[in-house]
Amino acid sequence: AQTVTQSQPEMSVQEAETVTLSCTYDTSENNYYLFWYKQPPSRQMILVIRQEAYKQQNATENRFSVNFQKAAKSFSLKISDSQLGDTAMYFCAFRSYGGATNKLIFGTGTLLAVQP
Amino acid sequence: KAGVTQTPRYLIKTRGQQVTLSCSPISGHRSVSWYQQTPGQGLQFLFEYFSETQRNKGNFPGRFSGRQFSNSRSEMNVSTLELGDSALYLCASSLSADSYEQYFGPGTRLTVT
Repeated sequence: AQTVTQSQPEMSVQEAETVTLSCTYDTSENNYYLFWYKQPPSRQMILVIRQEAYKQQNATENRFSVNFQKAAKSFSLKISDSQLGDTAMYFCAFRSYGGATNKLIFGTGTLLAVQP
Repeated sequence: KAGVTQTPRYLIKTRGQQVTLSCSPISGHRSVSWYQQTPGQGLQFLFEYFSETQRNKGNFPGRFSGRQFSNSRSEMNVSTLELGDSALYLCASSLSADSYEQYFGPGTRLTVT
C-alpha cells in the first residue's frame, strides 16, 4: 500500500522569502503522479502543482517548483517570493498511474504561515 | 464554467440520525470522489464513482454509502451517525476515469452531537 509522509506539521516564512516543504512517499509502483494541494482557511482545496513520475524534469508553476527525487521517494515543494496569500495548509498527494482509479492518498499536511 | 458545488455547506445532526450530502461536479465531468477530513485522521478516501458505477471504496464501515446519478451528480449517505463522523466531507470531480486533475468543492461541514 502507498503511504505519504509530511514530517513538518507547521512552518513559518517571511514575506518575499523562499520556503521548502518536504514530502516522502512509499510505493512499489514505477509510474504514478504526485501532487501538492493548497487548502487556504476558506477550505477550498486547490491544485498547486503536479509531477508525473516518468518525467525526470521537475515541474514548475510560476513561484512554485518541486524537487522530485524518484530513487529517494522524495517530493518537496519550493515556494519562492512568498506572499501572504500563500498562507494555507499544504498537502502532498499520491495517485497511481492508469485508469483504474482517481483515488488520491494524502499526507497529513503542513501548515504554512507567511509573516508580513 | 461553474465549479464543484456541495450542499449543504453546514449540517448539525444528532447521534443515531442519518444524513445525505450532495455533490454536483463541474459540467461535463463524469468522475466524482469523496473524502473525509478530520483533525485526527487527516484526509481519507471514501469512495469514487464513474458513470454511475462505484469504482473504488475506502476503508469505512458500511454505514457510509454513496451513489451517482446519470447527470453525474453524486450523493453520499451516512446512517446511524456517530460522534466520530463529525468532519469536513469533500467532493472532487474529474473529467474522466483517468484524469490526474481533480477539482474540489468547498466541502460540507458535518457536526454530530
